Amino acid sequence: RKEVEQDPGPFNVPEGATVAFNCTYSNSASQSFFWYRQDCRKEPKLLMSVYSSGNEDGRFTAQLNRASQYISLLIRDSKLSDSATYLCVMMPPTYIPTFGRGTSLIVHP
Amino acid sequence: NAGVTQTPKFQVLKTGQSMTLQCAQDMNHNSMYWYRQDPGMGLRLIYYSASEGTTDKGEVPNGYNVSRLNKREFSLRLESAAPSQTSVYFCASSGELVAYNEQFFGPGTRLTVL
Repeated sequence: RKEVEQDPGPFNVPEGATVAFNCTYSNSASQSFFWYRQDCRKEPKLLMSVYSSGNEDGRFTAQLNRASQYISLLIRDSKLSDSATYLCVMMPPTYIPTFGRGTSLIVHP
Repeated sequence: NAGVTQTPKFQVLKTGQSMTLQCAQDMNHNSMYWYRQDPGMGLRLIYYSASEGTTDKGEVPNGYNVSRLNKREFSLRLESAAPSQTSVYFCASSGELVAYNEQFFGPGTRLTVL
């Protein structure tokens, strides 16, 4: 079983919709978590870190559920420009990042 | 600041040829990484360097070697390229190897091995 699992999608949503992705992880000793965004044929870029208490950045909300070993990303009021692949990243105690395979989001007019 | 730069951007090799992918960062970061990304596979770590003078294997090191030339530069070498090494290669850097540390990625090298 891969250490970090994501639904590859694609999630196809209209502009203005709310969409949520989950990411499950197998290492209960994982230290920290992140969401990265990757546009087609470009490099990944950090979207947000995921803190135990949950955190929000504008239209984006990230949550961590350690008991069930998953993290989530909620995007409200989707924009066309949100179309991308969202990568879940887990940081184990070794501090060597482990990436999920990514979830593809397509926002259409 | 250029951030993380990679050369070349594109490369086509024949099976058995060798080449070196170059990566440099100007953010004074201690840690550097090489990943490969294949369709449907996500990013897989090939090698990393926690600090200048150290290198360690990642998830998929076979067929590759690395050199941390100095704090700025981290190169990846394919000694005898194989079609299975056709991929997009990303170099990344981060300040330290700690829990909450953002990785910065280069633009990638698209390698095709015929």
